Amino acid sequence: QVQLVESGGGVVQPGGSLRLSCVASGFTFSNYGMHWVRQAPGKGLEWVAYIRYDGGKKDYADSVKGRFTISRDNSKNTLYLQMNSLRTDDTALYYCSKKVGIIDAIDIWGQGTLVTVSS
Amino acid sequence: EIVLTQSPGTLSLSPGERATLSCRASQSISNSYLAWYLQKPGQAPRLLIYDASSRATGIPDRFSGSGSGTDFSLTISRLEPGDFAVYYCQQYGSSPITFGQGTRLAIK
Repeated sequence: QVQLVESGGGVVQPGGSLRLSCVASGFTFSNYGMHWVRQAPGKGLEWVAYIRYDGGKKDYADSVKGRFTISRDNSKNTLYLQMNSLRTDDTALYYCSKKVGIIDAIDIWGQGTLVTVSS
Repeated sequence: EIVLTQSPGTLSLSPGERATLSCRASQSISNSYLAWYLQKPGQAPRLLIYDASSRATGIPDRFSGSGSGTDFSLTISRLEPGDFAVYYCQQYGSSPITFGQGTRLAIK
C-alpha cells in the first residue's frame, strides 16, 4: 500500500542540526512533488518546504528559509530535510507528505517524526 | 501570504446533525485551490476535499465543499461519531502554502 515512513527526529540543542528522511513505497515516487509539513505540540499545521518531482524546484516557508534544505533521491525513493541552526520554535512533529498530482493538496501523509529543540 | 481564518473555533453538535465549517481568506485564492483535512488525535491529517469542492478518494458524499474567492465552507450533512475531530483548511493557490488554525468539532 502507499506509505511514507519518516525517521531522523530526536532531541537537539538550539543551534544544532538534524537530517530527516522519508522513505516512500507503493507509488512511483519520482512522479510526484513532495512536502514537509510540521505541527508543534498542541498546535495547528504549518507548511515547511516543497520539492518538485525531479528536484528542479524548491520552495520554503519564510520561517525556515536559509536554515532548512529539502532534497530527494529518486533512486532510493527517499525525501530529506536537512535542518540547521535549529531553534526552540522548530520543535514539532514533522510530516512527510505527497501532493495530489499537479495540485498541492496533500493526499498521503507519513506518521511524523518528532523533533525537539531544547537545551 | 494568504491568511486563512476558520470559524467557529469549536463547534458542538450531536451525531446526525449537520455541520457547516467556514474558512475565510485574507485575499482571493486563485483557481479555488483550497483543501479541507480532518485530523483525529494522534493521527496524521486526512484529505477530504480539494479544489474547494472535489471529494478525495474514499470520502463519503456526506462531506461537501463549496465556495470561491475568499469564502469557503465544508458541510457534513449527517454527523457520525468518527467525524468529531479537528478540521483544517489549506490554500495552495499561492506561495507560501498556508493552513487555517483549525475548527474543533466536538460531541454535544
